[in-house]
Amino acid sequence: AQSVAQPEDQVNVAEGNPLTVKCTYSVSGNPYLFWYVQYPNRGLQFLLKYITGDNLVKGSYGFEAEFNKSQTSFHLKKPSALVSDSALYFCAVRESSSASKIIFGSGTRLSIRP
Amino acid sequence: DTAVSQTPKYLVTQMGNDKSIKCEQNLGHDTMYWYKQDSKKFLKIMFSYNNKELIINETVPNRFSPKSPDKAHLNLHINSLELGDSAVYFCASSQDRWVTQYFGPGTRLTVL
Repeated sequence: AQSVAQPEDQVNVAEGNPLTVKCTYSVSGNPYLFWYVQYPNRGLQFLLKYITGDNLVKGSYGFEAEFNKSQTSFHLKKPSALVSDSALYFCAVRESSSASKIIFGSGTRLSIRP
Repeated sequence: DTAVSQTPKYLVTQMGNDKSIKCEQNLGHDTMYWYKQDSKKFLKIMFSYNNKELIINETVPNRFSPKSPDKAHLNLHINSLELGDSAVYFCASSQDRWVTQYFGPGTRLTVL
């Protein structure tokens, strides 16, 4: 069975510093991996995805994520955090099989202090 | 233009009532979904429709009944509402099954 874990409930970073939000996954086949962001009282917004190809994926708002197959990780990163990045971040995974459904992680609250 | 819209945004009702939430997408997508987000922000898939056909029903009580009159609409009807149904319900759509999903703004349901 597939699963996804976000080990940190909350990440606190000072504005201008690099940030990392961690995600690990477990699938039996090849993974499709996603990051979504949720601002207060809003729906989830797609940030980026890994399907195949280059392990470093670039997405919206300056975010990027690195697919690491050996560590089964897909950590979200940004070189310089902004206060406006403060939000709830969800990692999601599905297997490449067309019958597989997507599973969301439990979410990590990112707080950027000025 | 709103890509995925839901109505109402807020819904407050008494236990035992029946209520509906409507969802519409103007993206031309084939697949639509309903998710439930609980008070701890955990997000769980409830249903998925592909071209008006139900493809996923995730052990949701049969008090919940989705209806898709056409591929741009997926409504959620809930009978005999219970306190535990209080949550935020999100509709989403995608071009193909389980690829990039576009979410609606959510409907906050409060059952008193």
